[in-house]
Amino acid sequence: QDLLVQSGSELRKPGASVKVSCQASGFQFSNYPIYWMRQAPGQGLEYLGWINTHTGNPTNAQDFTGRFVFSLDSSVGTTFLQINGLRAEDTAMYYCARVTDSGFYGPAFDVWGQGTMVTVSS
Amino acid sequence: QSVLPQPPSASGTPGQRVIISCSGGSSNIGRSHVYWYQKLPGTAPKLLFDRNNKRPSGVPDRFSGSKSDTSASLIIAGVRPEDEADYYCATWDDNLSGVAFGGGTKLTVL
Repeated sequence: QDLLVQSGSELRKPGASVKVSCQASGFQFSNYPIYWMRQAPGQGLEYLGWINTHTGNPTNAQDFTGRFVFSLDSSVGTTFLQINGLRAEDTAMYYCARVTDSGFYGPAFDVWGQGTMVTVSS
Repeated sequence: QSVLPQPPSASGTPGQRVIISCSGGSSNIGRSHVYWYQKLPGTAPKLLFDRNNKRPSGVPDRFSGSKSDTSASLIIAGVRPEDEADYYCATWDDNLSGVAFGGGTKLTVL
């Protein structure tokens, strides 16, 4: 079974950093780009960016440059999202997802992680 | 404000046909495939069908999609109580150089 397993919930103070992991199992990690999304409480889905798991090249969404950093460790089939300078408005459930056909036909995300809740509060 | 407006809510009685719309433009829906996701509370979004309207395992055949020019629709033929959820459209947007999600539609089954 193809799975993406994310790390557990995190609580941070404003200004701190957090690193969320997303580990693939059941499929060839380097064959599928991994995308990241978030959903703040009571809000809709937001696209954050993606990482090419073959080259390691990250691409940030226009509204999420600078503080949001994507990386990977191919040896363990894991991608990471690090958020620096956390703000209260970053409080959200963060999801990673696999895209089919390398994203050539658009955002068909067929496998999702279970989500990681990041709470930013003083 | 989403670049893909959706009605914030929709409703239907069991067995009724429900249609949820997603509006876009030439930079997104007009030139890219549209996908629909079902979001239940406490769970990750679920893809309802691929670009050929093929449904992943476990998705009932009452779910389908259509697209015309710069708008798309999710069609639920014979809605059931377990279909109560939030539904999101998604596509690629050239102006954003990235993925655009609709604002989401909350479906209530009366």
